[in-house]
Amino acid sequence: AQSVAQPEDQVNVAEGNPLTVKCTYSVSGNPYLFWYVQYPNRGLQFLLKYITGDNLVKGSYGFEAEFNKSQTSFHLKKPSALVSDSALYFCAVRAYNAGNMLTFGGGTRLMVKP
Amino acid sequence: DAGVTQSPTHLIKTRGQHVTLRCSPISGHKSVSWYQQVLGQGPQFIFQYYEKEERGRGNFPDRFSARQFPNYSSELNVNALLLGDSALYLCASSFGLAGGSGTDTQYFGPGTRLTVL
Repeated sequence: AQSVAQPEDQVNVAEGNPLTVKCTYSVSGNPYLFWYVQYPNRGLQFLLKYITGDNLVKGSYGFEAEFNKSQTSFHLKKPSALVSDSALYFCAVRAYNAGNMLTFGGGTRLMVKP
Repeated sequence: DAGVTQSPTHLIKTRGQHVTLRCSPISGHKSVSWYQQVLGQGPQFIFQYYEKEERGRGNFPDRFSARQFPNYSSELNVNALLLGDSALYLCASSFGLAGGSGTDTQYFGPGTRLTVL
């Protein structure tokens, strides 16, 4: 079975400071990892994914994520946070043999204060 | 290009009733998946359809069913509604079946918020 843990319910950061949203996963075989963002009363918006290759993945809106196989982590990062980044962030994993089935973490609310 | 569209936006039903939710995928996408997102939780996988066939099913009771049409749009049906079915129902589309390549990305619609009273 596959699972995702997002250990922080909320992350608070000041505008302009770097941000990190943590994610760890458990899956059989090679993992396919994703980050999505959800704004109030909206669906999920795709940010970035790791399939294979370079451990540092760059995505939309200046976000990036670092895949660490030994620590089974896929933390989301951004060098300089914006107030508009405030939203709910979800990490998801898909096993290589799981079709399109994504398993999501519980989400982390990011609050960026001016 | 239009993204994934879902209808209706909001729906209020009473216990025991039946509901049908609809989804139109991104043009060219052949796979549709359905997820349930209960307030305060991450989405949970319900179904995947590809080329009108069910290709995956999550841990949901038989009250939940779905189908995909020749134009790749999809319906999610829930019978005998329970209070616990109140949630945001998300539809996601992708080009193909994903399989072992892992390259397929799922793009989500805005969701249908179902309230069961």
